[in-house]
Amino acid sequence: SQTIHQWPATLVQPVGSPLSLECTVEGTSNPNLYWYRQAAGRGLQLLFYSVGIGQISSEVPQNLSASRPQDRQFILSSKKLLLSDSGFYLCAWSWGHEQFFGPGTRLTVL
Amino acid sequence: GESVGLHLPTLSVQEGDNSIINCAYSNSASDYFIWYKQESGKGPQFIIDIRSNMDKRQGQRVTVLLNKTVKHLSLQIAATQPGDSAVYFCAENGAGANNLFFGTGTRLTVIP
Repeated sequence: SQTIHQWPATLVQPVGSPLSLECTVEGTSNPNLYWYRQAAGRGLQLLFYSVGIGQISSEVPQNLSASRPQDRQFILSSKKLLLSDSGFYLCAWSWGHEQFFGPGTRLTVL
Repeated sequence: GESVGLHLPTLSVQEGDNSIINCAYSNSASDYFIWYKQESGKGPQFIIDIRSNMDKRQGQRVTVLLNKTVKHLSLQIAATQPGDSAVYFCAENGAGANNLFFGTGTRLTVIP
């Protein structure tokens, strides 16, 4: 069966510090991968998606970036965090329409 | 369409009653729709999906209704239980794409 992992589960970072969130998928190959952000009490905002290694599509211009160095690994990064980057970051994978979400990373920028 | 700037609407129901959560979608070319349940601090979990060639689909205690004429989707939960308390999101796939576009979400609170 397929599983999706995200780490860390929680993170507190100062403004201006770098960020690296990791997502890995097991039990599948060549999935579509997604990064979403969810502010408190809000809906899901699609940040990036990838249909293959090295292929990244950005949905929202911002100070975040994504990379897919391996088939089942998706990384969300920032060189300098802003206060507005705080939120709940979700990774998801899919083959078809249905997306399967990871447990999320709660990021607080102080 | 995008819902990231909106506060979640809320629905409160008594335990044992039926719940109906509504969703308006935006793209008439969407041919796949899905409902997710998100508990506090967790990722969304699949509940039920439906394709545009159907207008009703039933699962265990849940039913999804699709009205393509008015672009409306609903999720019915029978005999609502305290464990059903969560935020519920609908999503559509746009013009046949694999990306999903999420609705605003509705916070369901079950009163014991």
